Amino acid sequence: KQEVTQIPAALSVPEGENLVLNCSFTDSAIYNLQWFRQDPGKGLTSLLLIQSSQREQTSGRLNASLDKSSGRSTLYIAASQPGDSATYLCAVRPDRGSTLGRLYFGRGTQLTVWP
Amino acid sequence: KAGVTQTPRYLIKTRGQQVTLSCSPISGHRSVSWYQQTPGQGLQFLFEYFSETQRNKGNFPGRFSGRQFSNSRSEMNVSTLELGDSALYLCASSTWPTGSVEQYFGPGTRLTVT
Repeated sequence: KQEVTQIPAALSVPEGENLVLNCSFTDSAIYNLQWFRQDPGKGLTSLLLIQSSQREQTSGRLNASLDKSSGRSTLYIAASQPGDSATYLCAVRPDRGSTLGRLYFGRGTQLTVWP
Repeated sequence: KAGVTQTPRYLIKTRGQQVTLSCSPISGHRSVSWYQQTPGQGLQFLFEYFSETQRNKGNFPGRFSGRQFSNSRSEMNVSTLELGDSALYLCASSTWPTGSVEQYFGPGTRLTVT
């Protein structure tokens, strides 16, 4: 069974810092990996999706990398801002045809960026 | 294009009652998945529907059920509610298997069982 772990569970930093959030997964047979953001009491907003054949994806100040063979992904946030405060979730999609519609989530990293 | 909508947004029920939650996918999306989010267990997959058929089911008791209609709208039902069913229930839609597998999530329904 796929297990996804995120470290750290919580992070509190001053504005302007560059951050690295970590995600690891136990089964390397993945179709893709997705990073989400969740604001308190709200749904999930997709940030970046990396296909299993890709090494990284970038969107603005966000960069996500994937090392499928070692079961790791990192989300890099450059020049953090108070508006980045949220919970960041990592999710993997198994590479099994009939289960492609299912995501396995980590418990998230709760990020607080203070002015 | 409108996003995934879920109704109601908030719900308070009593132990033993049953509840029905609704999800309308993005127009053109035919796959709908449901997830439960709790502080203790995090986000867990409930089930997935495509073309009115359940394709996948997570590890939840039979009290949790769902269905999908011909217009791709989906409902999930929880019978004999327990306190532990209090959670944020999230619905996601995608164009898979005919298109991309990427899922788009709704705002969720917050269920409180007292």
